[in-house]
Amino acid sequence: DIQMTQSPSSLSASIGDRVTITCRASQGISNDLAWFQQKPGKAPKSLIYAASSLQNGVPSKFSGSGSGTDFTLTISSLQPEDFATYYCQQYSSYPLTFGGGTKVEIK
Amino acid sequence: EVQLVESGGGLVQPGGSLKLSCVASGFTFSGSAMHWVRQASGKGLEWVGRIRSKTNSYATAYAASVKGRFTISRDDSKNMVYLQMNSLKTEDTAVYYCTRAVHQDYWGQGTLVTVSS
Repeated sequence: DIQMTQSPSSLSASIGDRVTITCRASQGISNDLAWFQQKPGKAPKSLIYAASSLQNGVPSKFSGSGSGTDFTLTISSLQPEDFATYYCQQYSSYPLTFGGGTKVEIK
Repeated sequence: EVQLVESGGGLVQPGGSLKLSCVASGFTFSGSAMHWVRQASGKGLEWVGRIRSKTNSYATAYAASVKGRFTISRDDSKNMVYLQMNSLKTEDTAVYYCTRAVHQDYWGQGTLVTVSS
């Protein structure tokens, strides 16, 4: 199975900060990577697929990059609605696997 | 608008069975692979399994933790996907989400399954 390691597991940031979350795959997955946002008590929401493609309706402050084993999710200017937990997921091979999550909290 | 709505969750004893349902709308269901993902309280996301379309022979795949106990099926005439869960264990307690496609672009609201005596 491909292991997905996210870092950090949590971070504190201020409104307006640029935030970067990293996801590393235990083996190469090309660009078969998705990012999700989850708020408490809600279902996850798809943000990015194919490592860098924004889902319809997702604001452009979110961006993804990377290929192979190393990936990043960047939020360009953190807003109150962005405080949530973020997950990466590889879909290069089965079983599909998720990272452990990164909780973004208010500083 | 794409919608996925799960149902069928509840309380079941260890060793018991439960069948979850997910009704889809707003897209061509018959052409889409459908997945199930679960999340235990306070924990991360765990992929459970998927079923492909008729074109892909309704092929299924499962996580090792549920293989042999869980079965995914679909009824394209009803836009429904199902998760039959047998021999349930306490560690199967989670919110179960129905999702669309390999990159999980749409999610239902989830249904809670509690396995407890």
